[in-house]
Amino acid sequence: SQTIHQWPATLVQPVGSPLSLECTVEGTSNPNLYWYRQAAGRGLQLLFYSIGIDQISSEVPQNLSASRPQDRQFILSSKKLLLSDSGFYLCAWSDPRRRGNTIYFGEGSWLTVV
Amino acid sequence: GQQVMQIPQYQHVQEGEDFTTYCNSSTTLSNIQWYKQRPGGHPVFLIQLVKSGEVKKQKRLTFQFGEAKKNSSLHITATQTTDVGTYFCADGSSNTGKLIFGQGTTLQVKP
Repeated sequence: SQTIHQWPATLVQPVGSPLSLECTVEGTSNPNLYWYRQAAGRGLQLLFYSIGIDQISSEVPQNLSASRPQDRQFILSSKKLLLSDSGFYLCAWSDPRRRGNTIYFGEGSWLTVV
Repeated sequence: GQQVMQIPQYQHVQEGEDFTTYCNSSTTLSNIQWYKQRPGGHPVFLIQLVKSGEVKKQKRLTFQFGEAKKNSSLHITATQTTDVGTYFCADGSSNTGKLIFGQGTTLQVKP
């Protein structure tokens, strides 16, 4: 069966520090990969999605970037965090061979920028 | 861009009462999905609806897809405290792999 792992689960970072959140998917190949952000009590904002290595689309211009160094690995980064970057970050995957784009989320990473 | 509107944003009910959340789109959807997010957790896929007028049930949850495939609803009969959370609908029509989420309805159940 397929599983998705995301880490770290929580982190507190000072303003201006870098960020790296990692996500890996197991049990499948060539997945679509996503990064979502959820501010406290708010909806799901799509940040990046990738349909393959070196194929990453950015949905919201900001100081975040994403990379996909391997087929099943997705990394969210920032060089300098802002207070507004605080939130719940969710990695997710879907199987492009299936109709409907059903996605499966990781456990999430709680980021607090102080 | 394409949007999926979901109402209400919040709903407080007494345990045992029914609950419904609605999802509307200005365009025809090829499919609609529903997810549930428990407090402090991550969204979990519940169901996908594909056919016009489709109705699916999961125990006390009833999901409907409109005849025009532009709206959907999730109805919970006799809510329980375990139903607490945020329910999201999502448009899975994109052929690029994107899923467009509604804003979510947060359900609180008073015991």
